[in-house]
Amino acid sequence: EAQVTQNPRYLITVTGKKLTVTCSQNMNHEYMSWYRQDPGLGLRQIYYSMNVEVTDKGDVPEGYKVSRKEKRNFPLILESPSPNQTSLYFCASSLTRWNTEAFFGQGTRLTVV
Amino acid sequence: LAKTTQPISMDSYEGQEVNITCSHNNIATNDYITWYQQFPSQGPRFIIQGYKTKVTNEVASLFIPADRKSSTLSLPRVSLSDTAVYYCLGLPSSNTGKLIFGQGTTLQVKP
Repeated sequence: EAQVTQNPRYLITVTGKKLTVTCSQNMNHEYMSWYRQDPGLGLRQIYYSMNVEVTDKGDVPEGYKVSRKEKRNFPLILESPSPNQTSLYFCASSLTRWNTEAFFGQGTRLTVV
Repeated sequence: LAKTTQPISMDSYEGQEVNITCSHNNIATNDYITWYQQFPSQGPRFIIQGYKTKVTNEVASLFIPADRKSSTLSLPRVSLSDTAVYYCLGLPSSNTGKLIFGQGTTLQVKP
């Protein structure tokens, strides 16, 4: 089954404790991205990757890092989480950056206290 | 890149047909219109896309008139499980691939 898998689904952590949210897709897609969703602000792109070893900042990259060492994996790293990073996070993938059909993960609800 | 406008919310009852209209007055010649569905705390899911006239799949129909300045997503005989937010989108950003999600239309289906 074609899917994007994120882990964990829920995470509560403390300020400053490094964490990684994993994302994996099984569709051999070139393009992957991370979004955060907040009430009243909608979905905002954090980082994106057009292919292996090619990543770039989206609209709200501060406080986040990503890597794309393999085509299928695109982890999101919070080196020193802060409460303003409390949000619902989604990983997405599509065949290329021009494709309108994107596949989203189930989401990770992160709470930073 | 088309800027889209949709109603913020709609109510319906089970068994009814629901039509959600999206305005995109400045749609580009090469823009496709895509609709996504999002249930609470889940990722958006691609429903349907079209360029003009009518497209139908197992989930919905999409009507785009000849001038392409608007489009209508039609959900036949909705059920409670169709309660969700529906987003109308243009093409991804050509530079970044970002999908532009607006506020969407919150559809509430009542029994």
